[in-house]
Amino acid sequence: AQSVTQLGSHVSVSEGALVLLRCNYSSSVPPYLFWYVQYPNQGLQLLLKYTTGATLVKGINGFEAEFKKSETSFHLTKPSAHMSDAAEYFCAVSARGDMRFGAGTRLTVKP
Amino acid sequence: GAGVSQSPSNKVTEKGKDVELRCDPISGHTALYWYRQSLGQGLEFLIYFQGNSAPDKSGLPSDRFSAERTGGSVSTLTIQRTQQEDSAVYLCASSLGGTRNEQFFGPGTRLTVL
Repeated sequence: AQSVTQLGSHVSVSEGALVLLRCNYSSSVPPYLFWYVQYPNQGLQLLLKYTTGATLVKGINGFEAEFKKSETSFHLTKPSAHMSDAAEYFCAVSARGDMRFGAGTRLTVKP
Repeated sequence: GAGVSQSPSNKVTEKGKDVELRCDPISGHTALYWYRQSLGQGLEFLIYFQGNSAPDKSGLPSDRFSAERTGGSVSTLTIQRTQQEDSAVYLCASSLGGTRNEQFFGPGTRLTVL
């Protein structure tokens, strides 16, 4: 079975600072990895995904994530935080068609 | 429709009553998922339908919860004898199936059990 652990339920950064949201996964087969974002009072939407190929994946709104098999990690980063990035972020792993989500990390951006 | 739709958007019920939540997936999507999102708890997987295969029910928290998918399209999640701890947002998602395809989420149904 696959699972995801997101380190830090709440991350706070200043506007313009680096955003780093951590995600570690567990899977018995090669995983596909996803990051979803949920803005306040909105549904979840896909930020980016890793399936095969390049391990550095670029997504929407300047976010990117790197798949590191040796570390079983898929951390999400953005060089410079924007106020509009304030949201809840979920890492997810898919290995056999179903998907398992992490508990989520709430990102707060301070002016 | 253009996206996944769910109804009702809000449901308030009394403890002990049964409720039905509906999900209309994106046309052509063979996979359908139900999740529960409680405050501060992230997304809890409930059940997964893929085509005509037997559903993966491994996430259903108790036998009060059941779901069906008729004709490979619309799905209904039923909660019998609701309890206060069932209060949450219930999310439905659909996808083209397989491991690499993203899920598209509906807006959710907010269930409040009094």
